[in-house]
Amino acid sequence: LAKTTQPISMDSYEGQEVNITCSHNNIATNDYITWYQQFPSQGPRFIIQGYKTKVTNEVASLFIPADRKSSTLSLPRVSLSDTAVYYCLVGDARAAGNKLTFGGGTRVLVKP
Amino acid sequence: DGGITQSPKYLFRKEGQNVTLSCEQNLNHDAMYWYRQDPGQGLRLIYYSQIVNDFQKGDIAEGYSVSREKKESFPLTVTSAQKNPTAFYLCASRNPRGPFTGELFFGEGSRLTVL
Repeated sequence: LAKTTQPISMDSYEGQEVNITCSHNNIATNDYITWYQQFPSQGPRFIIQGYKTKVTNEVASLFIPADRKSSTLSLPRVSLSDTAVYYCLVGDARAAGNKLTFGGGTRVLVKP
Repeated sequence: DGGITQSPKYLFRKEGQNVTLSCEQNLNHDAMYWYRQDPGQGLRLIYYSQIVNDFQKGDIAEGYSVSREKKESFPLTVTSAQKNPTAFYLCASRNPRGPFTGELFFGEGSRLTVL
């Protein structure tokens, strides 16, 4: 299973772009990279998922280099409500019963 | 509405007592998971199940037990053997055939406090 490493915390200001990088040096061929957001006392919720290159949706972008040993979640123009913990999850999500293990997450604090 | 329901939301237990946390989903998902979260920490996998009547240990299964008698239900029992059970417990399910491969759907969690 691919182990992930993320920064423990990051501070930003409203309106800025936040980039969180996740390292996953031993990612396997069938592994996807998925990011989740968690607010206090709530379950994590899906943000974005990718396999290679760049993926963009209405809330974030995910950049994955060719070697796939890292990935960067980009949150454009953050607001106070984006203060949360962000988790990078790497695994073969299509496989039934895959043991999906989370890393420690990155605590993002958005300041006014 | 489809989703995952965990109950109870808050639970207090005396030391030495077993307690069972409920997790029900109506998403028709095959795979279900239990995670534990301690204050300021990430999620740690307790048990997971890919199909009815089958489940596997996660990273911290000691002191916990589960059953999967129905597709919709995956209850977690915290036994008296669990040394430090006070934590926030999260249940999740996953549909490997969804538009996003393997997106996890989480319940709202159950907060267990041992007195």
